[in-house]
Amino acid sequence: KQEVTQIPAALSVPEGENLVLNCSFTDSAIYNLQWFRQDPGKGLTSLLLIQSSQREQTSGRLNASLDKSSGRSTLYIAASQPGDSATYLCAVDTGRRALTFGSGTRLQVQP
Amino acid sequence: EPEVTQTPSHQVTQMGQEVILRCVPISNHLYFYWYRQILGQKVEFLVSFYNNEISEKSEIFDDQFSVERPDGSNFTLKIRSTKLEDSAMYFCASRGIGTGGRETQYFGPGTRLLVL
Repeated sequence: KQEVTQIPAALSVPEGENLVLNCSFTDSAIYNLQWFRQDPGKGLTSLLLIQSSQREQTSGRLNASLDKSSGRSTLYIAASQPGDSATYLCAVDTGRRALTFGSGTRLQVQP
Repeated sequence: EPEVTQTPSHQVTQMGQEVILRCVPISNHLYFYWYRQILGQKVEFLVSFYNNEISEKSEIFDDQFSVERPDGSNFTLKIRSTKLEDSAMYFCASRGIGTGGRETQYFGPGTRLLVL
């Protein structure tokens, strides 16, 4: 059974810092991995999707990497801004089955 | 860009009442899903649906839950007799070809259900 773990559970940084969020998964036979953003009480916004054959994806200040063999992904946020404050969720797709989500990292960027 | 839509956005109901949550998946998608997120907890899978039948369900998806595709566009989740612990955000998703030419799941905005 796929298990997804995210570390840290919460993070508070001053504005402008670069930061790394971590995601690990137990079964490396994945189809893809997605990073989502969730604002309090709101839905899921897809940020980046990395296919199993890819090593990384970039979108603006966000960069996600994937190391399938070690069961890890990282989300790198450059030059963080207060508007980046949210919960970041990692989800693993093992095919046409359901996504398995981590518990998320709650990020607070202090102005 | 096509998107998954869900109605209502919020619903308040009394314990024991039936609720139906509605979703309109992206039109050419074939796989549909319901997930839920209890406040402060993980997003959890409930059920997947393909070719007009359930293809997989979690242990959460007991006899109180049912899904249906009543017509060619809607996908519904029914909770027959709601319990307090059914209070959660319910997300619908559909799966199809995304950017890069590979399949991925697209999520709706969610329905927040509150059972009193």
